[in-house]
Amino acid sequence: GQQVMQIPQYQHVQEGEDFTTYCNSSTTLSNIQWYKQRPGGHPVFLIQLVKSGEVKKQKRLTFQFGEAKKNSSLHITATQTTDVGTYFCAFSASNYQLIWGAGTKLIIKP
Amino acid sequence: EAGVVQSPRYKIIEKKQPVAFWCNPISGHNTLYWYLQNLGQGPELLIRYENEEAVDDSQLPKDRFSAERLKGVDSTLKIQPAELGDSAVYLCASSLGLAGGPSYNEQFFGPGTRLTVL
Repeated sequence: GQQVMQIPQYQHVQEGEDFTTYCNSSTTLSNIQWYKQRPGGHPVFLIQLVKSGEVKKQKRLTFQFGEAKKNSSLHITATQTTDVGTYFCAFSASNYQLIWGAGTKLIIKP
Repeated sequence: EAGVVQSPRYKIIEKKQPVAFWCNPISGHNTLYWYLQNLGQGPELLIRYENEEAVDDSQLPKDRFSAERLKGVDSTLKIQPAELGDSAVYLCASSLGLAGGPSYNEQFFGPGTRLTVL
C-alpha cells in the first residue's frame, strides 16, 4: 500500500542549530500534514500542504511540498528546548485514511 | 473549547482480561478515529467513524477488538481478550469535517490511554 519514508529517525542538535526532517513518497501525494508530538504527549497538528511547490512558514518553522508532490520537508531555524519532540508527516491516502511516517525525533544536546 | 477527552489514562491488566477505552470527541466533530501507537512509531489507524458509521475498520483485529460510536458522539473501544502484544498507547482523535472536505485532515488528538498487559 501507499507509504511514506521519513528521515532521519533521530537528529541530535545543539540548541540554536537548525533541524530538518524529510518525507519521501514513491507516488504523488494529494496533500501532506505535519504533526508534533512532545515526549509523553499526543500528536498536535501543525500544518497541511496541498499545492505543488508550496512553502509555508510558522515563526521558525518552514514547511515545503515538492514540485512533484512526492516529498516534503520541515525545517526549524535556531532550535529551542521547546522544539524537542517527534515530528511526523502524514498524508491522506485514496481511501482518506491518514498514513503516517515513522517520525523524526529532535533531541537537544545538553 | 474542551479538547478530546479519553479515559482511563492508564490501564494495567493481565492477559486474557477484557479492557475498554472511552473517548469523547470535540463537540461538533463528525469524524472520530481510534489509533494504536507503539513506542517510537507513528499512529496506526484502527477504525474511523463518520458520524455513527464505521467507514474504515480494515485495520481492526476483529477477532478481539470491537468499537462503537452510539449516536455519533462518544465512542468506546474494547479488547477481549487482551494479549501481551496489545500493550501500547491507544489514541482517539476527531476532526470537524468528513472525508475529502477541507477540515478533514486536521485531526485533534486526546491524551491517549496507555495499556500495559502483563
